[in-house]
Amino acid sequence: QKEVEQNSGPLSVPEGAIASLNCTYSDRVSQSFFWYRQYSGKSPELIMSIYSNGDKEDGRFTAQLNKASQYVSLLIRDSQPSDSATYLCAVKHTGTASKLTFGTGTRLQVTL
Amino acid sequence: GAVVSQHPSRVICKSGTSVKIECRSLDFQATTMFWYRQFPKKSLMLMATSNEGSKATYEQGVEKDKFLINHASLTLSTLTVTSAHPEDSSFYICSARSGQGAGGYTFGSGTRLTVV
Repeated sequence: QKEVEQNSGPLSVPEGAIASLNCTYSDRVSQSFFWYRQYSGKSPELIMSIYSNGDKEDGRFTAQLNKASQYVSLLIRDSQPSDSATYLCAVKHTGTASKLTFGTGTRLQVTL
Repeated sequence: GAVVSQHPSRVICKSGTSVKIECRSLDFQATTMFWYRQFPKKSLMLMATSNEGSKATYEQGVEKDKFLINHASLTLSTLTVTSAHPEDSSFYICSARSGQGAGGYTFGSGTRLTVV
């Protein structure tokens, strides 16, 4: 079974700190990886996508992918209270009609 | 950017009735649409994948006769929850894909269904 695993949290970080969110996946041939942010009662919104090993930076966000370790992470620099949300890791597998498999999400709390 | 409109945002219905949820791609043609449900504090669970003009592909354990999906055009997919029961109460979210490529997944705003 193809699985995506995340620590449910909550992960609590002070304002201005770096938040580190982690995700592991079981399907070694997965192609594409996504991080979504979901506020309570709202639908997910895409933050980052990453397809190649290494780091990808976009503003305060950095996604890191290590296919050998089947590991993808999201770093949020200078965390703000507005970053408090659930962060969902999603993986697109090969040959599965473009389906995404979501992790259970990590709840992030940025404290003042 | 790509926008997906989902309606209604919230609906309350009585047990035994049916509810239709619409998902429209406003500024692109969605070749593939996905329907998810999400229980409180849980992740998104894919229910089915629909391609325009063909039958939906349902995930294991999802009753196709209970959750009717129609994708009659490149901009509209509907999910009908038939003979709804309280256990069907959930947050239903659609997602549309505009074409090939690694990205391009756009989510609707979700529908909160409460069956009383």
